[in-house]
Amino acid sequence: DVKVTQSSRYLVKRTGEKVFLECVQDMDHENMFWYRQDPGLGLRLIYFSYDVKMKEKGDIPEGYSVSREKKERFSLILESASTNQTSMYLCASSLYNGNTIYFGEGSWLTVV
Amino acid sequence: QKEVEQNSGPLSVPEGAIASLNCTYSDRGSQSFFWYRQYSGKSPELIMFIYSNGDKEDGRFTAQLNKASQYVSLLIRDSQPSDSATYLCAANNNDMRFGAGTRLTVKP
Repeated sequence: DVKVTQSSRYLVKRTGEKVFLECVQDMDHENMFWYRQDPGLGLRLIYFSYDVKMKEKGDIPEGYSVSREKKERFSLILESASTNQTSMYLCASSLYNGNTIYFGEGSWLTVV
Repeated sequence: QKEVEQNSGPLSVPEGAIASLNCTYSDRGSQSFFWYRQYSGKSPELIMFIYSNGDKEDGRFTAQLNKASQYVSLLIRDSQPSDSATYLCAANNNDMRFGAGTRLTVKP
């Protein structure tokens, strides 16, 4: 089975803090994604990556950055957390473009 | 902007009925389409995918794709209370874009 692991399930951070959300997949997938999910807005794509050290902006990249130094790991970084970044963050991966994507369990972030 | 739209719901059907979920997409370059189910507080899980025009059946689920109309649907036959969840439609063209989801309730 594909396993996508998000190391932090529940976080509470203060406004202005730098936040790291880590994601690891164990199936040698090429593609990795970060989404956020908010009630009524569905899943919105923040960033995605096709390869190591490669990144592409999604629909809502403002306030976020990403890092993919190794194929299996894709990190989401909030340089200076703000209250409007309170959300559930979902990491996902897929073998190749167009294939099924598999989600991690999600990270619930609250910024106070 | 690439958009995926779903009928807003919520949708309520009695147990044993057919539930019909609809989705349209704006990006004509989309090549593959997916339906995910998401239970409250959980992450989405794949139900099925479809690449070609027409119908694709998997057990109680049938996905339908019409690329000319940019329309995807999911039919759930013999709906069960365990099918109660939010259903997400997704379209893929170099990246995966999701609709906002339709909440389905199946009443015993």
